[in-house]
Amino acid sequence: DADVTQTPRNRITKTGKRIMLECSQTKGHDRMYWYRQDPGLGLRLIYYSFDVKDINKGEISDGYSVSRQAQAKFSLSLESAIPNQTALYFCATSDPAPRSGSYNEQFFGPGTRLTVL
Amino acid sequence: QQPVQSPQAVILREGEDAVINCSSSKALYSVHWYRQKHGEAPVFLMILLKGGEQMRHEKISASFNEKKQQSSLYLTASQLSYSGTYFCGTTGPGGYQKVTFGTGTKLQVIP
Repeated sequence: DADVTQTPRNRITKTGKRIMLECSQTKGHDRMYWYRQDPGLGLRLIYYSFDVKDINKGEISDGYSVSRQAQAKFSLSLESAIPNQTALYFCATSDPAPRSGSYNEQFFGPGTRLTVL
Repeated sequence: QQPVQSPQAVILREGEDAVINCSSSKALYSVHWYRQKHGEAPVFLMILLKGGEQMRHEKISASFNEKKQQSSLYLTASQLSYSGTYFCGTTGPGGYQKVTFGTGTKLQVIP
């Protein structure tokens, strides 16, 4: 079974609808992230969470909200979807390197392709 | 601010070498490199820490010039399996900060 799973894998919705993307992980990592990927723009951070009680905005949080329901679950919501939120969304997890305090590798889920019409 | 990667795209024949560069306008603590194959999620290649040694992953190596705030990824004797988009990600001083990814370099290796 995959360590980081995302549901749904594909979603088509209409402008103004509320959408929730879910991410679950079995890696036991404290840190979780939501990114969006657009052609030519790379991976941009939407929100990140270092533990269940810690939620932080990333570079492009406007129009999005998140919920960290448990160590293993991190959900991304679009309160009122708009067409320019059409993108590929990735969830990722990581565990901090204990000695250096720097991030070690991030493990990405398979992605959710969201289309807003 | 996102780090800048160059080139944006490159086409290689099998066996050729390539270099991908990553530059930041901010002081860096670490640089991460990931590869994303078409239709898949990004996969970690290596991390370089300030003051650390050059890293290797199979025939792919990387260096980190702290003074210039730059990192370079060296792909030696490229294989078809190297095709994909390469992303660098950077963290600033403090180490606990989030990773900021570049816009990516698309690499295509042809027979």
